[in-house]
Amino acid sequence: DTAVSQTPKYLVTQMGNDKSIKCEQNLGHDTMYWYKQDSKKFLKIMFSYNNKELIINETVPNRFSPKSPDKAHLNLHINSLELGDSAVYFCASSPRTVGSGANVLTFGAGSRLTVL
Amino acid sequence: GQNIDQPTEMTATEGAIVQINCTYQTSGFNGLFWYQQHAGEAPTFLSYNVLDGLEEKGRFSSFLSRSKGYSYLLLKELQMKDSASYLCAVKSGSARQLTFGSGTQLTVLP
Repeated sequence: DTAVSQTPKYLVTQMGNDKSIKCEQNLGHDTMYWYKQDSKKFLKIMFSYNNKELIINETVPNRFSPKSPDKAHLNLHINSLELGDSAVYFCASSPRTVGSGANVLTFGAGSRLTVL
Repeated sequence: GQNIDQPTEMTATEGAIVQINCTYQTSGFNGLFWYQQHAGEAPTFLSYNVLDGLEEKGRFSSFLSRSKGYSYLLLKELQMKDSASYLCAVKSGSARQLTFGSGTQLTVLP
């Protein structure tokens, strides 16, 4: 199946721990993203990579570090987890960096992170 | 920056028509998207408008007025499966990403 797949789907952990979420897309897209969706369902961009190069880095704590080993993968590592990090994290990809035209995002199923 | 407003919740009856509005303020407007998100699932693409007017796709249509900073998503012949959150998202020339509104939770009642 062609898709954006992310693991794990659920993650429950204690404050202060370090965790990673992995994302892979087999759509041949050049650009990948991490979005955070909080309890109020507000979907907010965190990072974007185009061909392994960081192009968007919104104001997120530096405890969050993305890594893109190749253009099909974009992982998210979070250090020293805090209660406020609890959210659903969505990986997405698009054919190219957002520019002219209908550059449609394809989202993964989401990773629900709960910090206790 | 960008500001996107849409109603938090709407309720409609099966078989009816519902219109979900979205207003936005942005510089360098470069397109508006509508996404559908069922509870616990990923957002999926519904429609894209960059020029003024109506885009029709089956039971769903989306309208854009750039001068008014306004769009709506029109859903006809509502079905129970249309119960979901509908996200308006704006692309601007200055920002190389989509900015999403907070979504409108639509509940379709029998």
